[in-house]
Amino acid sequence: AQSVAQPEDQVNVAEGNPLTVKCTYSVSGNPYLFWYVQYPNRGLQFLLKYITGDNLVKGSYGFEAEFNKSQTSFHLKKPSALVSDSALYFCAVRPLYNFNKFYFGSGTKLNVKP
Amino acid sequence: DAGVTQSPTHLIKTRGQQVTLRCSPKSGHDTVSWYQQALGQGPQFIFQYYEEEERQRGNFPDRFSGHQFPNYSSELNVNALLLGDSALYLCASSRGGYNSPLHFGNGTRLTVT
Repeated sequence: AQSVAQPEDQVNVAEGNPLTVKCTYSVSGNPYLFWYVQYPNRGLQFLLKYITGDNLVKGSYGFEAEFNKSQTSFHLKKPSALVSDSALYFCAVRPLYNFNKFYFGSGTKLNVKP
Repeated sequence: DAGVTQSPTHLIKTRGQQVTLRCSPKSGHDTVSWYQQALGQGPQFIFQYYEEEERQRGNFPDRFSGHQFPNYSSELNVNALLLGDSALYLCASSRGGYNSPLHFGNGTRLTVT
């Protein structure tokens, strides 16, 4: 069965410190990987994606993500967190054999403290 | 350039009633997907429409149905509402192509009492 795991319900970090939001997946083949952010009472907003190539991909608002094929992980990172980064973050996987469907993790709430 | 728009933003219904949610995709997008996001969970795939046909369906009962119109807009219909149908319903549009990300609307918050 396909699954996406975000092991941390919540991540707390001080403003200016680096942040990491973890994601691992269990999907056959080499899926496409995505990160989305959700602010209160809003839809999901696309941050970045990994399709192929360099394992470190850069996205919006200074976020980047590192793909690790052997660990089937796709962790979201940012070198210096901002209070405005506080939101709910979702990892998503799109299998190549079933590209109509995205599988989402359960989400990680990021709290950035001033 | 308007993004994905959904209506209404909030809706309160009673068990057993029927509801219709509407979605207009982002300009240039031809594919519409619907997701259900229960409180504290990630979005769950309901179905996807392309060229006015349901292309794929997730693990949802037949009470959930949809439609796509020639202008690519879409509707989600839920019959015989249950309390467990209370959730945020998200519409997402995309263009054809494997690496095209989903673009989401702000959702419709459905409360079933």
